[in-house]
Amino acid sequence: EAGVAQSPRYKIIEKRQSVAFWCNPISGHATLYWYQQILGQGPKLLIQFQNNGVVDDSQLPKDRFSAERLKGVDSTLKIQPAKLEDSAVYLCASSLGPGARQPQHFGDGTRLSIL
Amino acid sequence: AQSVTQPDIHITVSEGASLELRCNYSYGATPYLFWYVQSPGQGLQLLLKYFSGDTLVQGIKGFEAEFKRSQSSFNLRKPSVHWSDAAEYFCAVGGNNAGNMLTFGGGTRLMVKP
Repeated sequence: EAGVAQSPRYKIIEKRQSVAFWCNPISGHATLYWYQQILGQGPKLLIQFQNNGVVDDSQLPKDRFSAERLKGVDSTLKIQPAKLEDSAVYLCASSLGPGARQPQHFGDGTRLSIL
Repeated sequence: AQSVTQPDIHITVSEGASLELRCNYSYGATPYLFWYVQSPGQGLQLLLKYFSGDTLVQGIKGFEAEFKRSQSSFNLRKPSVHWSDAAEYFCAVGGNNAGNMLTFGGGTRLMVKP
């Protein structure tokens, strides 16, 4: 089966600019996750979708980050305006359903560098 | 709040030697525990998971992990390391509530000497 697809793989922007990441989950996976992985740290969940609804966005900095999954399939994560501390790898993952028993399948991530 | 500690940031072992990566967790109920591996420039791949039952779980690539409730640990082991095992390893904990998120440890970077 095709894995989780993410684009772009790399992005370099200046602070205060905006950026968007795209994720296409595994076909049939209802649950989609966005993680932020800062260099030298483990992934931190930003937001979790169940179909097109938000399940958990408690760790999403809502003043600058937004995410949507309008048709319950693809998802975009946006940062506006970007700050230096947003430099990280943004990982998308998907699973058949919610809850930790469902294995999460990860994409290769988008590496964001803020100048 | 749930948390995961991986005490070793870096570990170097010789090829063919045995490996143990440590993981300690904090979780208020019965935990679900996971080990993931991440190669440079790639996403995370699930090595193994523990939900319940036998406390020794087998995973892919010859890895195993043992759940010890009394020590709040879930250490990853491999009897003989191969050069291709060089990567970063993450332990994670979650729960059985719908929508309950995974919390990852900070990771252990494994280097393998020839």
